[in-house]
Amino acid sequence: DQQVKQNSPSLSVQEGRISILNCDYTNSMFDYFLWYKKYPAEGPTFLISISSIKDKNEDGRFTVFLNKSAKHLSLHIVPSQPGDSAVYFCAARSGGYQKVTFGIGTKLQVIP
Amino acid sequence: NAGVTQTPKFRILKIGQSMTLQCTQDMNHNYMYWYRQDPGMGLKLIYYSVGAGITDKGEVPNGYNVSRSTTEDFPLRLELAAPSQTSVYFCASSYPQQGQINYGYTFGSGTRLTVV
Repeated sequence: DQQVKQNSPSLSVQEGRISILNCDYTNSMFDYFLWYKKYPAEGPTFLISISSIKDKNEDGRFTVFLNKSAKHLSLHIVPSQPGDSAVYFCAARSGGYQKVTFGIGTKLQVIP
Repeated sequence: NAGVTQTPKFRILKIGQSMTLQCTQDMNHNYMYWYRQDPGMGLKLIYYSVGAGITDKGEVPNGYNVSRSTTEDFPLRLELAAPSQTSVYFCASSYPQQGQINYGYTFGSGTRLTVV
């Protein structure tokens, strides 16, 4: 049972354009959503998060949008840079102890 | 500041062998976690700990054991290794700061384990 779904395994975007990574979830009890970025042979690094009581959170070039009614969130990267090429994981938290559920990831390639 | 350190980075085990994956953090984080990532899959929680002496099972605990005798260390033990345990293992830590909930984990760089 995949509670956090990233349906696009890969995405290619030209440098300078917008990258949009999508994520859907099924568990209504999720109260916090996070995005992680992962380079090969490294651990994931925390990128940005959003509480379920908000619909938008922005941090520099990264913006996360949350649509609770659709159980959908997206990560926007503007402008995209070659260094953004990585695997992006969507994650969500429910309950205590900060346990999170991860999606399978979307591989972003930013083409110079 | 080293963050979360995992050793070894790579290991090949024979079926039935045992080993311990080491994880140490120097950020004084209360919470620590072990995840595994299989090819084409998301990270699955194996075990977690909310403090020294306290551990609990995650989503996929079978075949593994953990202990948390100190705040810094959270080793993962594999007993009787099986090919299904071939995976990349990530240790992570976090600390909910008073007055500001922070759900971002700090991950180690991972241990790639192959069981043959």
